[in-house]
Amino acid sequence: ELKVEQNPLFLSMQEGKNYTIYCNYSTTSDRLYWYRQDPGKSLESLFVLLSNGAVKQEGRLMASLDTKARLSTLHITAAVHDLSATYFCAVEGTRGFKTIFGAGTRLFVKA
Amino acid sequence: DGGITQSPKYLFRKEGQNVTLSCEQNLNHDAMYWYRQDPGQGLRLIYYSQIVNDFQKGDIAEGYSVSREKKESFPLTVTSAQKNPTAFYLCASSTTGGHQPQHFGDGTRLSIL
Repeated sequence: ELKVEQNPLFLSMQEGKNYTIYCNYSTTSDRLYWYRQDPGKSLESLFVLLSNGAVKQEGRLMASLDTKARLSTLHITAAVHDLSATYFCAVEGTRGFKTIFGAGTRLFVKA
Repeated sequence: DGGITQSPKYLFRKEGQNVTLSCEQNLNHDAMYWYRQDPGQGLRLIYYSQIVNDFQKGDIAEGYSVSREKKESFPLTVTSAQKNPTAFYLCASSTTGGHQPQHFGDGTRLSIL
């Protein structure tokens, strides 16, 4: 059974600092997604990672995928307050369609 | 603009009552999904559908039912058998090939009266 674990679950950081969120999953998959959710809102797609070694960057966020280690990271560079949100990783099972979400990392960036 | 529309935004359920949450998409996506989100928690899959007239149970299907009579529509009924229905419900859709992310609606917040 596919399980997805994120850590940390809560992260409070100062503006300008760097940090990494980790996403581990339990079974083989080469399809991993990162989403952002603002409080009370829906989810917005950030990154799609489809192969081992994939790296995607958008602004201050960079995501990577290591399928051998079953690990994805979301790295935050020089955080700003606008990045405060909950970030979810989601892994698609090998049979497709059924996607399992991590519990989410609630990020708070202090000015 | 293409997207997913969920309605209503807020819904209240009385004891013993069934309620139906609407989800409509105009993205021409084959696959549609329903998730439940509890406060401070991740998303849990209730039901999903890959094609019209076919759907599968997710991890927490008990107390819920769905139908998929049209490609654009995937309504979720929360039955009286669901004893703890208070949650944020999110509908999503995606293509069935090409490994694209899911597109989400704005959600329905359901509470018990």
